[in-house]
Amino acid sequence: GAVVSQHPSWVICKSGTSVKIECRSLDFQATTMFWYRQFPKQSLMLMATSNEGSKATYEQGVEKDKFLINHASLTLSTLTVTSAHPEDSSFYICSASGGDTDTQYFGPGTRLTVL
Amino acid sequence: DAKTTQPPSMDCAEGRAANLPCNHSTISGNEYVYWYRQIHSQGPQYIIHGLKNNETNEMASLIITEDRKSSTLILPHATLRDTAVYYCIVRGYNNDMRFGAGTRLTVKP
Repeated sequence: GAVVSQHPSWVICKSGTSVKIECRSLDFQATTMFWYRQFPKQSLMLMATSNEGSKATYEQGVEKDKFLINHASLTLSTLTVTSAHPEDSSFYICSASGGDTDTQYFGPGTRLTVL
Repeated sequence: DAKTTQPPSMDCAEGRAANLPCNHSTISGNEYVYWYRQIHSQGPQYIIHGLKNNETNEMASLIITEDRKSSTLILPHATLRDTAVYYCIVRGYNNDMRFGAGTRLTVKP
């Protein structure tokens, strides 16, 4: 149990375009979802926390107008990187928690490359 | 900022127990200690968590000191597939988790 999926697993886009990444909890209802970013050879950095039906809470330094997060249902959250630039190239990972435990379960990650 | 400190790297012989230490001296009374591992280019995998009692599951054991200022993750019989970066994390009040640099464990044949 406690499976989290992400789609797509990798994406390449042109500078200036927007990219949407989906995060789904497959076998539990995720009341809270988290989005992280990981640059090469670095640790995961928390970007934002979202509760189902509420606006996301962004970490300091993360632009909420650039990284749009929607958590409209208990099984789906989306992260949209708007007007992507090469410096946004990174590994984006979501996690979800809910049900009987507050344990966060992570998705497999999405590698974004902006040309 | 992460509330934990871990050694940057460790080696372990295949078949031996791997003991990964973690310091969390500023942990509060109701904060849990979580352990995850990340194999290259994958999302972190949950291993185990605890509050104050020692815990064991099919993957590992977690030993938490009585004062809760440190803990040790034990992989009883390490295999080559256990090579990964291991993260010790104190879960915050809002369920948020701050990842530190972790320990890169290399299991050698």
